[in-house]
Amino acid sequence: AQSVTQPDIHITVSEGASLELRCNYSYGATPYLFWYVQSPGQGLQLLLKYFSGDTLVQGIKGFEAEFKRSQSSFNLRKPSVHWSDAAEYFCAVGALGNNAGNMLTFGGGTRLMVKP
Amino acid sequence: GAGVSQTPSNKVTEKGKYVELRCDPISGHTALYWYRQSLGQGPEFLIYFQGTGAADDSGLPNDRFFAVRPEGSVSTLKIQRTERGDSAVYLCASSPAGRTNYGYTFGSGTRLTVV
Repeated sequence: AQSVTQPDIHITVSEGASLELRCNYSYGATPYLFWYVQSPGQGLQLLLKYFSGDTLVQGIKGFEAEFKRSQSSFNLRKPSVHWSDAAEYFCAVGALGNNAGNMLTFGGGTRLMVKP
Repeated sequence: GAGVSQTPSNKVTEKGKYVELRCDPISGHTALYWYRQSLGQGPEFLIYFQGTGAADDSGLPNDRFFAVRPEGSVSTLKIQRTERGDSAVYLCASSPAGRTNYGYTFGSGTRLTVV
């Protein structure tokens, strides 16, 4: 069964600083990988996704992520953080389930705080 | 509709009561998913519908939980004999087809509190 680990529960960065959120996954085949962001009281918004091809994926809001098969990682990065980026970030792996169903397995999330 | 709509946004119920949570997916989306997000955790898969049928219900925690989607659009998650441990945010998502590579659109969730 697949699993996702986000080692950092909380991260605080200063506005304008760079950001890297870590994600490690476990899956027996080539995974589908996703990053979602969740603001308080809001649903999950897709930032970016990886299926195949170029291992560096560009997303919305200036985020990017790099798939590294050798490290089973899919870390999220942003060169310059804005105060509005403060939120909870979830990494997820997608796989085929029963009857070609497709659940996502999420990590526990990383809460990002941004200092002015 | 423009997005996935979930009602109610908040529900407080007494232990032992029955509750229904509603999800109205994006028009035309054939796949619908329910997830449960407990405090401080990531969402956990509950059930997946393709059309009217529950194609994968392996995430339902026990037989107190049941979900339907009778016309292939709106879905209702039903919880019988609620327990305090059922308190969580219940998220619904829909996608154009049954494959994760299309990506989901999530609703804002229903926050269920069992007292």
